[in-house]
Amino acid sequence: EPEVTQTPSHQVTQMGQEVILRCVPISNHLYFYWYRQILGQKVEFLVSFYNNEISEKSEIFDDQFSVERPDGSNFTLKIRSTKLEDSAMYFCASSAGGDGYTFGSGTRLTVV
Amino acid sequence: EDQVTQSPEALRLQEGESSSLNCSYTVSGLRGLFWYRQDPGKGPEFLFTLYSAGEEKEKERLKATLTKKESFLHITAPKPEDSATYLCAATDTGKLIFGQGTTLQVKP
Repeated sequence: EPEVTQTPSHQVTQMGQEVILRCVPISNHLYFYWYRQILGQKVEFLVSFYNNEISEKSEIFDDQFSVERPDGSNFTLKIRSTKLEDSAMYFCASSAGGDGYTFGSGTRLTVV
Repeated sequence: EDQVTQSPEALRLQEGESSSLNCSYTVSGLRGLFWYRQDPGKGPEFLFTLYSAGEEKEKERLKATLTKKESFLHITAPKPEDSATYLCAATDTGKLIFGQGTTLQVKP
């Protein structure tokens, strides 16, 4: 069964450092998303991406965040200068535009 | 403000003891109501999508139903392997709005 692949599974970074989280969505999907889940809290929407541009973003997705689809297969989330409060599980998801969104297994980001 | 609320937060059942999980939503222009299963440290795993009031879907011991304000996930004769957190999410624009989840523990 097709799956969304995320790397790395766990990333530890120093506060103020830049991190790039990587995702390979399902190949025939057109819509791509990033969500995050702080420990013990709800899964929260960050950004959606379609046709090589951001289609919607949340208040969380400020100037410190950016997304890119650099080569037609990867989908990345960059955090420019990490803060302690960025520590969370980050999930990538993709959709064909109809029924169901497929999520990856997530990247656990720990900012120290 | 669009919102999704799930209850109860936690549920303990004996194996074989059927029950229901509730998801209340206030989302204008609902395009879909989703149920996911999440195991610890993993990503949400898709279970069902419901689109309109009155719709029902089933998969093994799970059955999801939808009204204009709520969705229910009915679990019939659960087994220990059904233990997980069950997430409800709604969408209007394409982004998913999640509830906080119901953590189900099924004891043998």
